[in-house]
Amino acid sequence: AQSVTQPDIHITVSEGASLELRCNYSYGATPYLFWYVQSPGQGLQLLLKYFSGDTLVQGIKGFEAEFKRSQSSFNLRKPSVHWSDAAEYFCAVVVPGGGADGLTFGKGTHLIIQP
Amino acid sequence: NAGVTQTPKFRILKIGQSMTLQCTQDMNHNYMYWYRQDPGMGLKLIYYSVGAGITDKGEVPNGYNVSRSTTEDFPLRLELAAPSQTSVYFCASRPGSEAFFGQGTRLTVV
Repeated sequence: AQSVTQPDIHITVSEGASLELRCNYSYGATPYLFWYVQSPGQGLQLLLKYFSGDTLVQGIKGFEAEFKRSQSSFNLRKPSVHWSDAAEYFCAVVVPGGGADGLTFGKGTHLIIQP
Repeated sequence: NAGVTQTPKFRILKIGQSMTLQCTQDMNHNYMYWYRQDPGMGLKLIYYSVGAGITDKGEVPNGYNVSRSTTEDFPLRLELAAPSQTSVYFCASRPGSEAFFGQGTRLTVV
């Protein structure tokens, strides 16, 4: 079965600094990969997704992520964070053709922005 | 498009009461899910469905029941509410790729 690891439970970044959130997955082939953001009191919103092709994908709100097959990673980045980026971030994988139970989420990373 | 709609947004229940959390999607997705989210614990899968008439247990199904009589609706039933069921509940649907989430139901059992 597939699994997703987000090694950082909390990350604190100063406003204007760069950000990288880590995500590693375990699966025998390349799954579909996603990053979601959850602002306080809200549902999860899709930031970006990777299915195939170019390993650097652009998302909404200035985020990007890079798929590295050799490291089984899909790390999320942003060059300069804003206070409004404070939120919970979830990495997820979908096993292509894996059925309804082919969806797995990481446990999330809580991002704190310091002024 | 309304997407995934959950009702109610907030609810306070007394111990032993029952209630149904409603979830409706208008995107004709086959797969639907119920998660609960507790502070710092990520998302835990309660039940999921692959289509009308077919449901299966997730990681934490005890104390909950579901049904899926139509593609659109996937209600979650709490029969005897317990304080341990205080949580935020999210419904999601997906066609095969990314999941689409509702805005959540914040449930408190007192």
